[in-house]
Amino acid sequence: AQSVTQLGSHVSVSEGALVLLRCNYSSSVPPYLFWYVQYPNQGLQLLLKYTSAATLVKGINGFEAEFKKSETSFHLTKPSAHMSDAAEYFCAVSEVTGNQFYFGTGTSLTVIP
Amino acid sequence: GAVVSQHPSRVICKSGTSVKIECRSLDFQATTMFWYRQFPKQSLMLMATSNEGSKATYEQGVEKDKFLINHASLTLSTLTVTSAHPEDSSFYICSAIGSYDEQFFGPGTRLTVL
Repeated sequence: AQSVTQLGSHVSVSEGALVLLRCNYSSSVPPYLFWYVQYPNQGLQLLLKYTSAATLVKGINGFEAEFKKSETSFHLTKPSAHMSDAAEYFCAVSEVTGNQFYFGTGTSLTVIP
Repeated sequence: GAVVSQHPSRVICKSGTSVKIECRSLDFQATTMFWYRQFPKQSLMLMATSNEGSKATYEQGVEKDKFLINHASLTLSTLTVTSAHPEDSSFYICSAIGSYDEQFFGPGTRLTVL
């Protein structure tokens, strides 16, 4: 069985500060992991994905995430927050590419000017 | 990149009516599409897996007679909410599997049932 836990439903950071959004997963097989961003009333935009290649994954808009098997984590980071980063962020896991995703409950990121 | 569209983007209907939502893969063929539902401030919950030319596979707790899914071609899947009620009001998002098994999401459809 697969599941995703996102710690912290709401995260606030100051503009220019480090962004850290946490994601832990459980999977019986090596997982594929994803981070998506969702702006109000819009669909999901892929930020980055881990598919068993490099453990440090770089995505769009300056985001990156590191796959840590020992910690079953895939936390999302960005060195310097921008106002446009304010959105909802979802972590997702899949056992096989092309298969259904299991989403975390989401983290709402607020950027304070 | 691959594009998935949904139509309509917003729909308001009266209780008891049926609403059809279309999900199209615009520049690729998708054998498999997924339908998700998202309540306000909550995550996406998978409703069903739609396979071209065969019956959809529904997740536990999802009424197949209420949420009719048709995947008649490699670029189109439809979700029909039959006899809609206010509790069906939600954000419905589809996704399609493209080349290299990557999943692409549509922009979503906001359904409001009065």
